[in-house]
Amino acid sequence: EAQVTQNPRYLITVTGKKLTVTCSQNMNHEYMSWYRQDPGLGLRQIYYSMNVEVTDKGDVPEGYKVSRKEKRNFPLILESPSPNQTSLYFCASRIWSGEDTGELFFGEGSRLTVL
Amino acid sequence: KQEVTQIPAALSVPEGENLVLNCSFTDSAIYNLQWFRQDPGKGLTSLLLIQSSQREQTSGRLNASLDKSSGRSTLYIAASQPGDSATYLCAPFAGGTSYGKLTFGQGTILTVHP
Repeated sequence: EAQVTQNPRYLITVTGKKLTVTCSQNMNHEYMSWYRQDPGLGLRQIYYSMNVEVTDKGDVPEGYKVSRKEKRNFPLILESPSPNQTSLYFCASRIWSGEDTGELFFGEGSRLTVL
Repeated sequence: KQEVTQIPAALSVPEGENLVLNCSFTDSAIYNLQWFRQDPGKGLTSLLLIQSSQREQTSGRLNASLDKSSGRSTLYIAASQPGDSATYLCAPFAGGTSYGKLTFGQGTILTVHP
């Protein structure tokens, strides 16, 4: 089954304790991206990756890091989480091949609370 | 920077009505535009994807149109049902100098009453 898998789905942590949210896709997609969703602010893009070793900032990259060492994985790293990073996070992927950009597939989301 | 506006912000209708949801965007240099629905507390479900070279796409009771030059897309829902109640989001996928960026509208919250 084609899917985007995020882990953990729920996490409560404390300020300053480094954490990683993993994202993996099994569709051999070139493009992967991270979003956060907050009430009143909607969905906003954090980082995206065109392919292995190619990443770029979205609209709200501050406080986050990413890496793309393998095509299927795109982890989101919070080096020193703060309460304003409490949010619902989504990972997504799509085909990206020249002008051929396919449907964007989303993971189920990871609800993060930083105390 | 791409800005996406969805109108109306909320819509409440009786079952059976035909609906039109609007999405406008400021940068027409896009690869495609995708419509999603999101149920409360859940993830995003893809409804329709329209490539920049296309004018419209249809799936069942849903029809989406795209006018890239004017920066507009419309989602048409025929014969609405209570199960259609959800938040509907549009997202143009940027090309040009912002290629790879994806910007979401704030969404239209749809409630269909039995």
